[in-house]
Amino acid sequence: EAGVTQSPTHLIKTRGQQATLRCSPISGHTSVYWYQQALGLGLQFLLWYDEGEERNRGNFPPRFSGRQFPNYSSELNVNALELEDSALYLCASRVPGDFNQPQHFGDGTRLSIL
Amino acid sequence: AQRVTQPEKLLSVFKGAPVELKCNYSYSGSPELFWYVQYSRQRLQLLLRHISRESIKGFTADLNKGETSFHLKKPFAQEEDSAMYYCALRLYNQGGKLIFGQGTELSVKP
Repeated sequence: EAGVTQSPTHLIKTRGQQATLRCSPISGHTSVYWYQQALGLGLQFLLWYDEGEERNRGNFPPRFSGRQFPNYSSELNVNALELEDSALYLCASRVPGDFNQPQHFGDGTRLSIL
Repeated sequence: AQRVTQPEKLLSVFKGAPVELKCNYSYSGSPELFWYVQYSRQRLQLLLRHISRESIKGFTADLNKGETSFHLKKPFAQEEDSAMYYCALRLYNQGGKLIFGQGTELSVKP
């Protein structure tokens, strides 16, 4: 079974630019979660998508947004990049309907803001 | 507010010594707790969950609601246990989102 895949592995941007990060969940998983792992801040919940809809978001500004496509893959968009957005962004997926099932994580996209 | 605290950033032990990685949580509801592990150059993966009450790779963790703790234990540490360990609280009423602790780096020396 292929795991959660994320692309690109590494993304380098400058302040003010926009970044797009992609995630393909495990086949059959319809829920996708995004987390930010910034230095010194640990893993923080960003967004949750399920069946194409944003269901919940963490304490992040609106310039963090995303979407989920009909094939359940997901994009995370970060607009007006700031230096503190430099972090590892992790995507996780879960089987549909059962919150008791664990989340499976991808390798992450490392976003570096210069 | 929901919170997970892992008080130790780094825990260093010798091979064969017992290990205890501490995790405390704050949550008004019924907690669901997990330990995730990240080995060097590998992705974050689930180690164990409290509802399973299982032992994985010799690790166990018991939920203590009175002390609001979910400490991870292993009686005899191995060098291959060296990794980053994260304790996480799942919020069932928020779609299962995870609240993570800051993580503890376990270093097992030969």
